Amino acid sequence: DIQMTQSPSSLSASVGDRVTITCRASHHISNYLAWYQQEPGKVPKLLIYAASTLQSGVPSRFSGSGSGTDFTLTISSLQPEDVATYYCQTYNSAPALTFGGGTKVEIK
Amino acid sequence: QLQLQESGPGLVRPSETLSLTCTVSGGSIRSSSHYWGWIRQPPGKGLEWIGSVYYSGSTYYNPSFKSRVIISVATSENQLSLKLSSVTAADTALYYCVGTSWGSQYYLSDYWGQGSLVTVSS
Repeated sequence: DIQMTQSPSSLSASVGDRVTITCRASHHISNYLAWYQQEPGKVPKLLIYAASTLQSGVPSRFSGSGSGTDFTLTISSLQPEDVATYYCQTYNSAPALTFGGGTKVEIK
Repeated sequence: QLQLQESGPGLVRPSETLSLTCTVSGGSIRSSSHYWGWIRQPPGKGLEWIGSVYYSGSTYYNPSFKSRVIISVATSENQLSLKLSSVTAADTALYYCVGTSWGSQYYLSDYWGQGSLVTVSS
């Protein structure tokens, strides 16, 4: 089974800061990786798929990179509306899915 | 625009079977471009994939649930269902119905219901 490990589990940053979240897969998953944003009390929302492709309507301050086992989600300039928990997910064995543990992003 | 709506009891007794239904609107569950499934989230915790079904009836389950779970589709009613047997308090969670668009290089869970909170308690 593939395990997805995210770090950090939480972070606090100032508005305008560059924020980076990492996700590591226990096995090679090519670029079969997505990132989801879950704002407090809301339904998860797809941000990025194929490791770096922005879903339609997602602000350009979000970007993803990586391939193989190591991936990153970057918010280039943190905004108050970005307060959320972010999850990586691999669909390397689709339809089976595996999520990372999540990274909670707060404003300092 | 696809919309998914979960329904079912909010309280289930320990050792009994959790049953939820998801009604799909704005599109057909017979779509060959979608898989349908369930993802859960215990209070304050992360997301966990339970399983998925294709309109043909083919099912795929998380090995952690495989012996307890049944997911099925009712194409005439545009619904899918989840049955999870022998529940314990650890199964208390928000259960999401999810529609996934797929292709040769992508598999995107881009349609989510609002979630159905199920509490397991006597």
